[in-house]
Parts: sequence; structure tokens; C-alpha cells
Amino acid sequence: EAQVTQNPRYLITVTGKKLTVTCSQNMNHEYMSWYRQDPGLGLRQIYYSMNVEVTDKGDVPEGYKVSRKEKRNFPLILESPSPNQTSLYFCASSSVLLGGRTDTQYFGPGTRLTVL
Amino acid sequence: QQQVKQSPQSLIVQKGGISIINCAYENTAFDYFPWYQQFPGKGPALLIAIRPDVSEKKEGRFTISFNKSAKQFSLHIMDSQPGDSATYFCAASITSGSARQLTFGSGTQLTVLP
Repeated sequence: EAQVTQNPRYLITVTGKKLTVTCSQNMNHEYMSWYRQDPGLGLRQIYYSMNVEVTDKGDVPEGYKVSRKEKRNFPLILESPSPNQTSLYFCASSSVLLGGRTDTQYFGPGTRLTVL
Repeated sequence: QQQVKQSPQSLIVQKGGISIINCAYENTAFDYFPWYQQFPGKGPALLIAIRPDVSEKKEGRFTISFNKSAKQFSLHIMDSQPGDSATYFCAASITSGSARQLTFGSGTQLTVLP
């Protein structure tokens, strides 16, 4: 089954304790992205990657890091989480069409993060 | 700033009624307008999308109406069903360049009463 998986699905942590949220897709997609969803704000892009070793900032990258060492994986790293990073996080992936444009994005099930 | 404004924030409709969700955008460079549907505990999933060279696109009970001059687009759900109860997000993107970066609206929580 084609899917995007995220782990963990729920995480409660404390300020300053480094954490990683994993994202994996089995569709051989070149493009992967991370979003955060907050009430009244919709989804905002954190980082995206067009392919292995190619990453770029989205709209709200501060406090986050990403890496893309393998095509299927795109982990999100919070090196020193703060309470304002409490949110619902989604990973997404899509194929890249001719000319470099991306196709429909497929979203993972989400990771609910609480930073105390 | 919010480049895509979505309204209403919540919507309650009787079964069989028409649900209408509106979005307005500012950036005239946007050339792709998808709608995503999200059920509780799930990630958003593409529902229907339109490009600005057409004024309407229909897929089953779902229709997007697009008004380029007004920079507005809307989702119409005909014969709404309780199974349509979900959060709906409009989005916009620029497909030129190296990446399609989606800008989402704030979401509308739709409840269809049986």
C-alpha cells in the first residue's frame, strides 16, 4: 500500500530536549515536505526537499532542522524544542514532473507534539 | 501575512443541503488551486483542484468555482452527506519554478447533520 508514515504519532516532551520525528514514504517520490498545523492558521510549510541532499526552507523554518540522506526518509529534528512548537505536524511527499513541477502531495497521518 | 483567506471557520449543514466554502487569494502568480479534505486523526487528502484557465470544475458532488478577476474560488458540496463531515482546506500554489509550494487557507470544519 502506497503511504507516508510518521513516527511517533504522539509525543510529549520538555523544553530543550532534542527530538526527531521520522517520515518515510514508499512511493519513490522525489519531493518531501514538512508542515505544521495550528488552529486558525491552517498548514504552514516548515521545510521541503526536492531530492536527496537537496533541502530548502519553507514559511516557518525557525527552530527546525531536516536532512535527506535517503530518498524515502525525511526526518524533522527539533534540537531545542520550545512550547511554541507544540503543534500537529504532517509530512508529505509527491513525485516531480517533467520541468521540475511537483504533482499531488500525499500526507502522512500526523504527529501531535506537546512541548512542556 | 495570510495569502489565502478562507471562510467560514465552521459550517453546519443539514443532510442533502449545499455546503459552500469560500477562499480569496492575493498573489496573482498563483496558478493552481487545490482543495484538501481532512478527517479527524488523518492527514489531508486532495479532493479536487482547478487551474485559473477554467471557471468551474466538477467531480461528482464536488464543484470548484473560480473567479480570476475577483481572486476568489469556492468549493460547493451538493447533496451534502454526514460522511462529508471533515475539515476542508483550500490552497494555492505557483507551479513554475523548481517546487510547488502550497499555501493553505485556515480551514473550515464542516458538520453535516443526519
